[in-house]
Amino acid sequence: AQKVTQAQTEISVVEKEDVTLDCVYETRDTTYYLFWYKQPPSGELVFLIRRNSFDEQNEISGRYSWNFQKSTSSFNFTITASQVVDSAVYFCALSEVGAAGNKLTFGGGTRVLVKP
Amino acid sequence: NAGVTQTPKFQVLKTGQSMTLQCAQDMNHEYMSWYRQDPGMGLRLIHYSVGAGITDQGEVPNGYNVSRSTTEDFPLRLLSAAPSQTSVYFCASSGDRGYGYTFGSGTRLTVV
Repeated sequence: AQKVTQAQTEISVVEKEDVTLDCVYETRDTTYYLFWYKQPPSGELVFLIRRNSFDEQNEISGRYSWNFQKSTSSFNFTITASQVVDSAVYFCALSEVGAAGNKLTFGGGTRVLVKP
Repeated sequence: NAGVTQTPKFQVLKTGQSMTLQCAQDMNHEYMSWYRQDPGMGLRLIHYSVGAGITDQGEVPNGYNVSRSTTEDFPLRLLSAAPSQTSVYFCASSGDRGYGYTFGSGTRLTVV
């Protein structure tokens, strides 16, 4: 069975600090997808990134970057020079290609609080 | 605007009452799912559908029913509400395997 673990429940930083969110996953599939979603205080879920299991290239998008390491089953997310607007709960999720229904398994989420 | 529409946004039920949470998408997506979000537990899958007429159970299906008579709609029925069903419910749709989901804005349900 697939599982996603986000060991950090809450991280508090001061604006402009960098913050890294850890995500460790378990799967028996060789083909799978990993995702990060952001949930701001307003409550909606916002898609940030999708990565497939065959693409281990790191990715940078503005102040966001992602480090995918298959060897350690990790897909970590870094916010550089954090801003107050980054305050949110961030979820890592996994979808196995072989699983029925295109189901997503979520981690428990990490709450990020960025203080001015 | 294209997307996933959930209604209502807020609901208070008494124990034992039944109700239906509505979900509609206009993106012609095959995959639809219902999740519930509880503090510290992330989102857990209740039921999902891979197309009209096809549904299946997720991780926490007890107390909920679904049906998918059309591609667009995927309602979630609470048969007899219990306080343990107090949660935030999200409906989501996806157009293709592995392409992640678009989520509705959520329904905050309180059962007293």
